[in-house]
Amino acid sequence: GQQVMQIPQYQHVQEGEDFTTYCNSSTTLSNIQWYKQRPGGHPVFLIQLVKSGEVKKQKRLTFQFGEAKKNSSLHITATQTTDVGTYFCAGLRTNAGKSTFGDGTTLTVKP
Amino acid sequence: DTAVSQTPKYLVTQMGNDKSIKCEQNLGHDTMYWYKQDSKKFLKIMFSYNNKELIINETVPNRFSPKSPDKAHLNLHINSLELGDSAVYFCASSPGTSGYTFGSGTRLTVV
Repeated sequence: GQQVMQIPQYQHVQEGEDFTTYCNSSTTLSNIQWYKQRPGGHPVFLIQLVKSGEVKKQKRLTFQFGEAKKNSSLHITATQTTDVGTYFCAGLRTNAGKSTFGDGTTLTVKP
Repeated sequence: DTAVSQTPKYLVTQMGNDKSIKCEQNLGHDTMYWYKQDSKKFLKIMFSYNNKELIINETVPNRFSPKSPDKAHLNLHINSLELGDSAVYFCASSPGTSGYTFGSGTRLTVV
């Protein structure tokens, strides 16, 4: 079945450093979504990418969708303590009824 | 407030008991889901309903039975609870293939 691999599983950074999490799918995706889950909270939708090679920005967050629509990345510039949490990607395969979530990357930021 | 609301927030129960978790969304979404998040934070889909009809039923023990009385509600009933059922259960909804809105979760502890 479709798998969405996400790396790394954990990332510890010093405040001000950059952070990147990567998602790779075994199959071509119709879209990919990104979510953030704060400690003790629930996943919150951040963004959806649909087009091949698409790049979207939200303040310090940059999201990319690969040309082959099989991989994606989320990059945070100059992390802050408010960025802590687990970031999930979720990929939707064409004609699938659901998105498949990656295993998440848990980010901790040391002040 | 527009939201996905699920109750209860916490549930502590003994092995062998039967319990239910309720979910309601007022977003007008057609599709609702149940996800299980284990201690490693992996998000695994359990069920998906579209307009009250079951469309996804992952490999879940038949002790778990979802019920959707209307498209705004998706409840989860669990029979004969086991220790391994302890997890956080998230309800979510989506308007087709767009981003999911998650409820705040139900932390189930089986003792």
